[in-house]
Amino acid sequence: AQKVTQAQTEISVVEKEDVTLDCVYETRDTTYYLFWYKQPPSGELVFLIRRNSFDEQNEISGRYSWNFQKSTSSFNFTITASQVVDSAVYFCARNSGGGADGLTFGKGTHLIIQP
Amino acid sequence: NAGVTQTPKFQVLKTGQSMTLQCAQDMNHEYMSWYRQDPGMGLRLIHYSVGAGITDQGEVPNGYNVSRSTTEDFPLRLLSAAPSQTSVYFCASTSRGNEQFFGPGTRLTVL
Repeated sequence: AQKVTQAQTEISVVEKEDVTLDCVYETRDTTYYLFWYKQPPSGELVFLIRRNSFDEQNEISGRYSWNFQKSTSSFNFTITASQVVDSAVYFCARNSGGGADGLTFGKGTHLIIQP
Repeated sequence: NAGVTQTPKFQVLKTGQSMTLQCAQDMNHEYMSWYRQDPGMGLRLIHYSVGAGITDQGEVPNGYNVSRSTTEDFPLRLLSAAPSQTSVYFCASTSRGNEQFFGPGTRLTVL
């Protein structure tokens, strides 16, 4: 199986600090998609971003930004000026280009934002 | 548009009992999948389907059966529940554009 690795099991920062969540993936595919999801304490999965393997442009959405580097097989996620509401478990995931055979998830990073 | 719905939300079973977790989507997506989430393990793929009548195994298929008789429904069956199947189960459907839509999850406890 082509793994997704989130080496940081838990991160704790103080509110307003910037924090980066790491994601490294394995792939033998030319075409694939990468995803980030947020899982708040309520348990649902909240979609954050989908990135095609051909699109290496970094993306910024408000306080969130993503850095995709195919050369290092990484897709890192940064939260700027963190807030208590950002406290959640964050998952990185990938699938093959067709998307038919489901997602492979990392084990998640538990982010704790202290007031 | 209800998206992806799952029933029940919570279930407690005794070892050896059988049950079916229901999943339905109203977006006419061909691709659907089931995952289980265990503490510290992320989500792991159980079974997936690329269309009505077509299913295949994921990473952790043992102890689970699926069928896909219609595009809308993708039920997951536990034939003889075991405590190791205590988990949170998520169903998902995937659009042609690779957008993933997840249901709210079913929390299952097997005693």
